[in-house]
Amino acid sequence: TQLLEQSPQFLSIQEGENLTVYCNSSSVFSSLQWYRQEPGEGPVLLVTVVTGGEVKKLKRLTFQFGDARKDSSLHITAAQPGDTGLYLCAGEASGGSNYKLTFGKGTLLTVNP
Amino acid sequence: NAGVMQNPRHLVRRRGQEARLRCSPMKGHSHVYWYRQLPEEGLKFMVYLQKENIIDESGMPKERFSAEFPKEGPSILRIQQVVRGDSAAYFCASSPEGLGVEQFFGPGTRLTVL
Repeated sequence: TQLLEQSPQFLSIQEGENLTVYCNSSSVFSSLQWYRQEPGEGPVLLVTVVTGGEVKKLKRLTFQFGDARKDSSLHITAAQPGDTGLYLCAGEASGGSNYKLTFGKGTLLTVNP
Repeated sequence: NAGVMQNPRHLVRRRGQEARLRCSPMKGHSHVYWYRQLPEEGLKFMVYLQKENIIDESGMPKERFSAEFPKEGPSILRIQQVVRGDSAAYFCASSPEGLGVEQFFGPGTRLTVL
C-alpha cells in the first residue's frame, strides 16, 4: 500500500512569512499533484509534477518533485490570508491503475493578517 | 463550462436508511471517480466508472455500497442500511479520459448518520 505523509499537519503563520510543507513516501509515483481544499469544498488542483527534480512555479507558490519521485515540497513566499486552506498532495501510482490517486492527510495552513 | 456537480451537498440519514449521492461530471468527461474523506483522514479512492461500466471498485466496501454511471444521467453512489461509521464527506471527480489525466473534483456530499 502506497502512503503519503504530509508535514507539518498544522501550520499557523503571520502574513508575509515564508513557509514550506512536505509530502513524503517510501514509494515511487509517476506523478504528484498538489491540491488546496477550503472548508466545505472539494480539492482544487494547483499543479502536477511529473519529472524527478522538476520545479514548477505558480505566482508565489513553488513546487518541487524529488529526484527519486518519492517526495515533494510546496514553498509559499510572502504568505497572504487568502492562502489559508488545507494543502493536499496526491500521488499517481505507476502502472495500470494510475487513476487511483493516493492522498496525504494534508497540511492545514492558517495565515493570520 | 460548469464544474463537477454533486447533490445533495448535505445529507442526514438515520441508521438503517439508504443514502443516494449523485454526481454529474464536467461536460465532455466520461470518467467518474468516487472518494471518501473520513474525519482526520485523507481522501480514499472508492470506485472508478465509465459510462455503463465499473472499471475498478477495489476501494469500495463489499457490502452495502454500490455505484453506477448510466448511459444517461448522473453517477450514483448508493449506501444501503447506513451506519454511523459511514458519516464522511464523499467526493466525486471526473476526467475526460482515464489513465494519467487530471481529475477535477466536485464540492462533495457531507453524509451524517444519526
